[in-house]
Amino acid sequence: TQLLEQSPQFLSIQEGENLTVYCNSSSVFSSLQWYRQEPGEGPVLLVTVVTGGEVKKLKRLTFQFGDARKDSSLHITAAQPGDTGLYLCALYLGGGNKLTFGTGTQLKVEL
Amino acid sequence: ETGVTQSPTHLIKTRGQQVTLRCSSQSGHNTVSWYQQALGQGPQFIFQYYREEENGRGNFPPRFSGLQFPNYSSELNVNALELDDSALYLCASSLMGPGLWTNEQFFGPGTRLTVL
Repeated sequence: TQLLEQSPQFLSIQEGENLTVYCNSSSVFSSLQWYRQEPGEGPVLLVTVVTGGEVKKLKRLTFQFGDARKDSSLHITAAQPGDTGLYLCALYLGGGNKLTFGTGTQLKVEL
Repeated sequence: ETGVTQSPTHLIKTRGQQVTLRCSSQSGHNTVSWYQQALGQGPQFIFQYYREEENGRGNFPPRFSGLQFPNYSSELNVNALELDDSALYLCASSLMGPGLWTNEQFFGPGTRLTVL
């Protein structure tokens, strides 16, 4: 079983729509990160959430860390084709800089 | 500031062969981590190198091995290639040290390995 489960696995929407993707676990974490990976590129860090209930905004992207620090969500308002990519949640386990990634949500935004 | 670079971009090998992938870390970084990413999945941690020593390993067999050089660049070697080794191999660099830990890794664009 995966430590971090993301849903949905795939999402195809039209430009201008809103969407939410989820990252869930049965474990409690001290922090969680969200990455976006575009085709042909490596993942790029979008945000780190640390405090239960924390909400962070990055332009049209809103990130929330659950109160119990076991889940997180990413909401995109008025999606654009440039938002297309693989969205990954991740956390550090075992010390050092070793990232454990979620299963990923593949988002496609069409004109 | 130079970002993380990887070579080659694409590679095709046959079962049983050996492959070496290369990664140059970002300027000022001393740690390199390698990840394997199957199509549409999240990356899986292979191992990490810090100051030329292996500093942690994921659930990968010994035929996956690595090196880090004094300039902090790194190699990933895979022996006796299997079909399931076909994936995108990513390296990421970061900065670590006594009392110093940054929570951001910078990823290269990856090497796409196809095993036939």
